[in-house]
Amino acid sequence: EVQLVESGGGLVQPGRSLRLSCAVSGFTFDDYAMHWVRQAPGKGLEWVSGITWNSGDIGYADSVKGRFTISRDNAKNSLYLQMNSLRPEDTALYYCARDSRVTGQGGHVDYWGQGTLVTVSS
Amino acid sequence: QSALTQPASVSGSPGQSITISCTGTINDVGGYNFVSWYQQHPGKAPKLMIYDVTNRPSGVSSRFSGSKSDNTASLAISGLQAEDEADYYCSSYTRSSTLARVFGGGTKLTVL
Repeated sequence: EVQLVESGGGLVQPGRSLRLSCAVSGFTFDDYAMHWVRQAPGKGLEWVSGITWNSGDIGYADSVKGRFTISRDNAKNSLYLQMNSLRPEDTALYYCARDSRVTGQGGHVDYWGQGTLVTVSS
Repeated sequence: QSALTQPASVSGSPGQSITISCTGTINDVGGYNFVSWYQQHPGKAPKLMIYDVTNRPSGVSSRFSGSKSDNTASLAISGLQAEDEADYYCSSYTRSSTLARVFGGGTKLTVL
């Protein structure tokens, strides 16, 4: 069974940092690209960042570019999101999500975690 | 990275059929056959319902179907059931980068 379990969310002040983690199981992690997708309270889904199987290609939404860094450790079956210079508008439930392809090209998100809540407020 | 356009809400009675539209541009929906649809019940993670415009993952009811014409994709649900009441999101591969995905704003389906 495919499982993605996020952790690391919490309440943080504007301008501070937070690191999210996603532990996966039930599939061969380095056979897939991975993504972070967020959902602000009561709002829709927003793609945040993606990474290919070998970290050879990485992408970010314009809203987080230069502040967030995605990474993965295939030996630990884990995906990460380092979030710096956090803003109130970054408040959201952050989902770890698996892509259907190894490079992400032409792929889609096929599995989602349950999400970890990040609240940015003073 | 503009969001795809979906109607905010649609409704139908049990047994009826509904369609949800998803409009993008030639740079996403219109340029690729890589549109997917997700169902999200309150407090739950999204669930993949349709991928590559028309394909259903194993376990998804045949009452769900997808199509596309030019820059607009559509999700059709036939024989509406109470458990279909949920939010639905479309998503597309986009020209902006190999990894970028664009989502629609979501459509709230109410089963009357």
